[in-house]
Amino acid sequence: KQEVTQIPAALSVPEGENLVLNCSFTDSAIYNLQWFRQDPGKGLTSLLLIQSSQREQTSGRLNASLDKSSGRSTLYIAASQPGDSATYLCAVYGGSQGNLIFGKGTKLSVKP
Amino acid sequence: DTGVSQDPRHKITKRGQNVTFRCDPISEHNRLYWYRQTLGQGPEFLTYFQNEAQLEKSRLLSDRFSAERPKGSFSTLEIQRTEQGDSAMYLCASSGRQKTLEKLFFGSGTQLSVL
Repeated sequence: KQEVTQIPAALSVPEGENLVLNCSFTDSAIYNLQWFRQDPGKGLTSLLLIQSSQREQTSGRLNASLDKSSGRSTLYIAASQPGDSATYLCAVYGGSQGNLIFGKGTKLSVKP
Repeated sequence: DTGVSQDPRHKITKRGQNVTFRCDPISEHNRLYWYRQTLGQGPEFLTYFQNEAQLEKSRLLSDRFSAERPKGSFSTLEIQRTEQGDSAMYLCASSGRQKTLEKLFFGSGTQLSVL
């Protein structure tokens, strides 16, 4: 059964810092991996999608990497801003289960 | 493109009552998903439609839950005889033609509170 783990569960950083969020998954037979952002009480916003054949994707200050063989992905946020404060969720598609399987998320707080 | 719409945003009900939620996907998307999220957890898959056909259902979807997508457009999720354990955020998402390759676009969710 596919399981997705995100570390750390919470992270607080001062504005301007670069930071890395981690995601690991137990079944490497995935089709893709997605990173989402969720603001309190709101739905999810898709940030980046990495296909299983890709190693990384970039969008603005965000860079996501994927290492299928080790079952790991990282989300790198450069020059963090208070507006980046949210919960970041990692989800994988495929493996032993046929739909998007989510981790519990990392709650990020960027202090001014 | 107006995004995925869900209605209502909030629903408070008494235990034992029936509730129905609606989801309007992005118009050109033929796949529609329902997820449930409780506090501090990631969303959990409930069910999935391709056009009007319900193709997958999670074991989380007990017989008190029913979902429909008539004509392959909007979808409804009904919970009968609600229980306090049904309290959660119910999220709808849609995607395009290729299930394994497309981003999922989520709505803002319906927050259900069962008293």
